[in-house]
Amino acid sequence: GENVEQHPSTLSVQEGDSAVIKCTYSDSASNYFPWYKQELGKRPQLIIDIRSNVGEKKDQRIAVTLNKTAKHFSLHITETQPEDSAVYFCAASRGGATNKLIFGTGTLLAVQP
Amino acid sequence: ETGVTQTPRHLVMGMTNKKSLKCEQHLGHNAMYWYKQSAKKPLELMFVYNFKEQTENNSVPSRFSPECPNSSHLFLHLHTLQPEDSALYLCASSQDSGGSSVAFFGQGTRLTVV
Repeated sequence: GENVEQHPSTLSVQEGDSAVIKCTYSDSASNYFPWYKQELGKRPQLIIDIRSNVGEKKDQRIAVTLNKTAKHFSLHITETQPEDSAVYFCAASRGGATNKLIFGTGTLLAVQP
Repeated sequence: ETGVTQTPRHLVMGMTNKKSLKCEQHLGHNAMYWYKQSAKKPLELMFVYNFKEQTENNSVPSRFSPECPNSSHLFLHLHTLQPEDSALYLCASSQDSGGSSVAFFGQGTRLTVV
């Protein structure tokens, strides 16, 4: 079945460093790849997404890259800050009749001040 | 606030109880979803409703029964649950369930089955 693998499961960085989280997906028909951030005790919130017709998208300190051939996509956070500490989830969807988002297992990012 | 509200925020129930989770969205969306979030597991899609019609049941046990009376409200009726059903249940909505529309999540209901 469809699945999304996410690595690493935990990531600790120093404030100001960069953080990279990687995901691979199995369904080659996937064409939409969002990233969600979930702070402790709060709901997941979309932080950035990318569609299959582009290879990279950037929004201030956050960027996402997509390699459709290799079926993997990555989240890059530069100049990390303590408030970036959270669990980050990647997801993949093929769209169509149902927006069935398949989520990765999450990455706990800790930014040390 | 993202406009998706879930009640209650916390629920403790016995295995013989019957309870319901409620989700309401004020975003004018047409699609609503139930997800289950367990520790160290991916978010698991349970049900999808599009224009009040159920379009996806992801092999969920019958002790979970969804209800969608209109596009703004979604319920999850619970009965004879098991301790392993303890988890965070998240509701989400999107403009529609086709294409790649963005999903907005509620705060979740933390369910504990004793």
